[in-house]
Amino acid sequence: DAKTTQPNSMESNEEEPVHLPCNHSTISGTDYIHWYRQLPSQGPEYVIHGLTSNVNNRMASLAIAEDRKSSTLILHRATLRDAAVYYCILSHTANDYKLSFGAGTTVTVRA
Amino acid sequence: DSGVTQTPKHLITATGQRVTLRCSPRSGDLSVYWYQQSLDQGLQFLIHYYNGEERAKGNILERFSAQQFPDLHSELNLSSLELGDSALYFCASSAFSRVAGELFFGEGSRLTVL
Repeated sequence: DAKTTQPNSMESNEEEPVHLPCNHSTISGTDYIHWYRQLPSQGPEYVIHGLTSNVNNRMASLAIAEDRKSSTLILHRATLRDAAVYYCILSHTANDYKLSFGAGTTVTVRA
Repeated sequence: DSGVTQTPKHLITATGQRVTLRCSPRSGDLSVYWYQQSLDQGLQFLIHYYNGEERAKGNILERFSAQQFPDLHSELNLSSLELGDSALYFCASSAFSRVAGELFFGEGSRLTVL
């Protein structure tokens, strides 16, 4: 499976945007990019996913680089509830019967 | 509330024992995934069932087994328990056989082996 690289941690101020980077230089043309987050003492929660084009939903935006070797999850206005571990995960169509979570990025939001 | 129900929420048992964790997926979801999360290993994929059939297996120990029943609920059986099996066990469900769609995770079952 193609690997992803994320910073271990990031800090943000409440009501400011948060840009979470993810590098995936070995991504293949049919790999989807998924983002999940895990709040303290809870199960992971789906955030967003995409293939080639940028994606927006009520929670976040996903910006995918033109060469697809990196992507950025954007939380437009961070709240204290957004403090969580954020996971960037790739799935390949030949083996997309599972999601393999890495260490993720721990996001801290300051009031 | 994700709609995925896991029981029990907490379980304390002794080494060598056997436990069963239960997962009820969201209504209509055919896929069930099991994950283990320990402090030192992070979230580890164990196994995936779709409509009663095994679709993918991760690094699941031979002491562990799972199945998905005709009513689509799933059980994860852990036997000959060791201290290192202490972890959070999460179940997730999806409407799809592949991960292209959203996975909905339950709140987990916390297993403590003493």
